[in-house]
Amino acid sequence: AQSVTQPDIHITVSEGASLELRCNYSYGATPYLFWYVQSPGQGLQLLLKYFSGDTLVQGIKGFEAEFKRSQSSFNLRKPSVHWSDAAEYFCAVGAYGGSQGNLIFGKGTKLSVKP
Amino acid sequence: KAGVTQTPRYLIKTRGQQVTLSCSPISGHRSVSWYQQTPGQGLQFLFEYFSETQRNKGNFPGRFSGRQFSNSRSEMNVSTLELGDSALYLCASSEGSGNTIYFGEGSWLTVV
Repeated sequence: AQSVTQPDIHITVSEGASLELRCNYSYGATPYLFWYVQSPGQGLQLLLKYFSGDTLVQGIKGFEAEFKRSQSSFNLRKPSVHWSDAAEYFCAVGAYGGSQGNLIFGKGTKLSVKP
Repeated sequence: KAGVTQTPRYLIKTRGQQVTLSCSPISGHRSVSWYQQTPGQGLQFLFEYFSETQRNKGNFPGRFSGRQFSNSRSEMNVSTLELGDSALYLCASSEGSGNTIYFGEGSWLTVV
């Protein structure tokens, strides 16, 4: 079955510390992979996406993610976290070349930032 | 370019009523999809429309329906509302296959 797993429900990091949010997927076809961020009461904002090519992708707000096919992972990283990064982060997978509207989301990781 | 616009942002309905939510996609985007977000189930795909045709449907009862107009605007309807339908309903749009999907701010539905 197709699925996305974000093992960490809640992570707390200190401001200025590095961050890695984990994402593992199970998908039969070649995947499109996304990371979205959601602030309380808001919609989803796209941080970055992987379609093909270079497996290390850069996104907005200083985020990057690395696609590792052998590990079925697409972990999100940031070298230095800012207090404004506190939000919920969602990893999602979609079908390459297929219907683009049907994304499968992980349950999300809530990030708290300590001053 | 304006983003995905959803109306209304907040609404309260009574059990048994029906509700219609509206979504205006980004200009030029022909694909519109809908998602339901709840604390328990997370983000779940409802359906996708492309050029006025439903292209994909999630695992929701027939009370949930949608449509897309010739200008790509979309509406979703939920009939015979249940308490469990209380959720954030998110609309997303894209140019089509192989393109980034952008989300709106969502419509918060509370069923009492």
